[in-house]
Amino acid sequence: EAGVAQSPRYKIIEKRQSVAFWCNPISGHATLYWYQQILGQGPKLLIQFQNNGVVDDSQLPKDRFSAERLKGVDSTLKIQPAKLEDSAVYLCASSLGVSPDIQYFGAGTRLSVL
Amino acid sequence: AQSVTQLGSHVSVSEGALVLLRCNYSSSVPPYLFWYVQYPNQGLQLLLKYTTGATLVKGINGFEAEFKKSETSFHLTKPSAHMSDAAEYFCAVSRRGSQGNLIFGKGTKLSVKP
Repeated sequence: EAGVAQSPRYKIIEKRQSVAFWCNPISGHATLYWYQQILGQGPKLLIQFQNNGVVDDSQLPKDRFSAERLKGVDSTLKIQPAKLEDSAVYLCASSLGVSPDIQYFGAGTRLSVL
Repeated sequence: AQSVTQLGSHVSVSEGALVLLRCNYSSSVPPYLFWYVQYPNQGLQLLLKYTTGATLVKGINGFEAEFKKSETSFHLTKPSAHMSDAAEYFCAVSRRGSQGNLIFGKGTKLSVKP
């Protein structure tokens, strides 16, 4: 069974530029999550989708971050414009339903903002 | 609000020694509890979870954890450490009846000495 796919694996940009990350969840998983993991910290939820609807985006900095999940499958997370403090690993996860269903994580995209 | 505290950002043990990673949570109602492991440049992988029933939970790779309501703890143990256990370990909680948002601790990096 294929896992959660994310791309790119690494991205380096300058501040004020824009960047987008892509996630393909495990087939059949209704719930998709985007987490931000800053160095030395645990992952923090940015946004949660149930199919193609947003369930929780309370911690998403909406002035610069946006996310969508077209047709309830793939998802993209965008940052525009990026700030230095956005340097982090962005993790995508998926699960069949909601907790306590297991969340399966992708390898992440490591973003460096210079 | 829920929170997770992992005591010790870095734990070092000798191969064959007992592994003990500590996790305490703060919640008005016992939450769902999880331990995830993260190997370098990889996503998080579930080790074990507690939802209900038996308070001693067995996971993969010989790990287990015990839910202690009176101590609000969910410590992770393994009787004998192996070199391959070197990784970062995250404790996480999810509020019962919620949409599944995981709240992670800051992580504990485990080093195993030969």
